[in-house]
Amino acid sequence: QVQLQESGPGLVKPSETLSLTCSVSGGSISSYYWSWIRQPPGKGLEWIGYNHYNGNSYYNPSLKSRVTVSVDTSKDQVSLKLSSVTAADTAVYYCVRDRGEIVPGWFDPWGQGTLVIVSS
Amino acid sequence: QTVVTQEPSFSVSPGGTVTLTCGLSSGSVSTTYYPTWYQQTPGQAPRTLIYNTNIRSSGVPDRFSGSILGNRAALTITGAQADDESDYYCLLYMGGGLRVFGGGTKLTVL
Repeated sequence: QVQLQESGPGLVKPSETLSLTCSVSGGSISSYYWSWIRQPPGKGLEWIGYNHYNGNSYYNPSLKSRVTVSVDTSKDQVSLKLSSVTAADTAVYYCVRDRGEIVPGWFDPWGQGTLVIVSS
Repeated sequence: QTVVTQEPSFSVSPGGTVTLTCGLSSGSVSTTYYPTWYQQTPGQAPRTLIYNTNIRSSGVPDRFSGSILGNRAALTITGAQADDESDYYCLLYMGGGLRVFGGGTKLTVL
């Protein structure tokens, strides 16, 4: 079964770029959409955006100017870059397989999540 | 910008039935929004309960069911158990690639 593992710095300075990697194991990265979702401490879920293995991407309009999601099929990795971060970007970030090829918005499975704190 | 709305909190007695709903600040939810429901317990990643309005994800007990009720998507828990106490999030597909979560419902079983 497909397993996802997020990794990256747990602390990022304001105005810098947050960079996370999601390693995909147990299945092919091809043929699927891959999304990132975040959850600020004590708050709800926010969908960030997706990239399809063929390069097609779409982002939450509220983050579009700062975010890039990319897929590296040679490494079976999905990455997230979020630029010009502020304290409001502090959150647990989840990598998910997005079953958009069947049902848009069906995320399965989920990674365990990684906490990123934005602070100087 | 259309907002996805959920009840902030709900409570149910053990063994009871509860229906959580998911609506739009403007307009009605239909199957074309592909409503999906997620359950999250503290400290854990969410898990899928229901997708495409009413399809139970693998391993989800049949006490969980999804539907459209009036102009909202609905998640019904029949025979609530103590470990159903969780946060529940709905997600709607708004078209054009956009996915939007509701604010979540905190369910208490007592």
